[in-house]
Amino acid sequence: GENVEQHPSTLSVQEGDSAVIKCTYSDSASNYFPWYKQELGKRPQLIIDIRSNVGEKKDQRIAVTLNKTAKHFSLHITETQPEDSAVYFCAALYTGNQFYFGTGTSLTVIP
Amino acid sequence: EPEVTQTPSHQVTQMGQEVILRCVPISNHLYFYWYRQILGQKVEFLVSFYNNEISEKSEIFDDQFSVERPDGSNFTLKIRSTKLEDSAMYFCASSEAPGGGSSPLHFGNGTRLTVT
Repeated sequence: GENVEQHPSTLSVQEGDSAVIKCTYSDSASNYFPWYKQELGKRPQLIIDIRSNVGEKKDQRIAVTLNKTAKHFSLHITETQPEDSAVYFCAALYTGNQFYFGTGTSLTVIP
Repeated sequence: EPEVTQTPSHQVTQMGQEVILRCVPISNHLYFYWYRQILGQKVEFLVSFYNNEISEKSEIFDDQFSVERPDGSNFTLKIRSTKLEDSAMYFCASSEAPGGGSSPLHFGNGTRLTVT
C-alpha cells in the first residue's frame, strides 16, 4: 500500500511568518494530494488539493507544490495568523479510492 | 453547503458490547468511507464502500467490523464486540468520484467512541 510521511510533527511560527509542511509518498501511482486542516475536536476540512498533472497551486495565502519525480509535496502558508493554528494532514489518493494520511503537523502561530 | 452528518457525537459502551455508528453522506456522493483517529494520532483508513459493496478495507477492518447501507441515505459502521483499543474518534466521509475524478473527501464531525 501507500506510505505517507509528514514533517515536521510540530511547528511554531511568529504571526506573519511563513510555515512549510512537507510530505513524501511511496507509490508513484498516487495521483491526487489533498491537504486537510483539523482544529481541536473538529472534523478535518479540505483547504487545498493538487493533482499529479500540476506542479503548483495557490489559493490566497495557501499554496501547494508537487514534485512527482521526488514523490513529495509541500504546503506553504504565508503571512500566518493565529487562526491558522491547527493540525494539518496531507493525504495521497491510492488505487482509485483509498486515501492515506500523513501523521499530521501541529502548527502554532504565536501572536 | 451540504455536509456529512454523523450520530451519535459521543458513544460510551462497555467492552464486549456491540455498537453501531451512523452516517448520512452527502446526497449526490457515490463513495463512502470510515476512518478512525486515536487521540493525538493520524487519521487511519478503515473501509471504502461503493455501489453497495466494500471496495477496499485496511488490516484494521477485521471480522468484528462491518458496514452497511441499509437504505438510500444511511451508512453504518458496526463493531460487534468492542475492545478497549477501539476507543477513538470515528469519521465518516464521502466523495463524489475519487480516482479519475480526484474529488476530495468530505468528513462528518465524527463519533467519539469510548470503550470502558
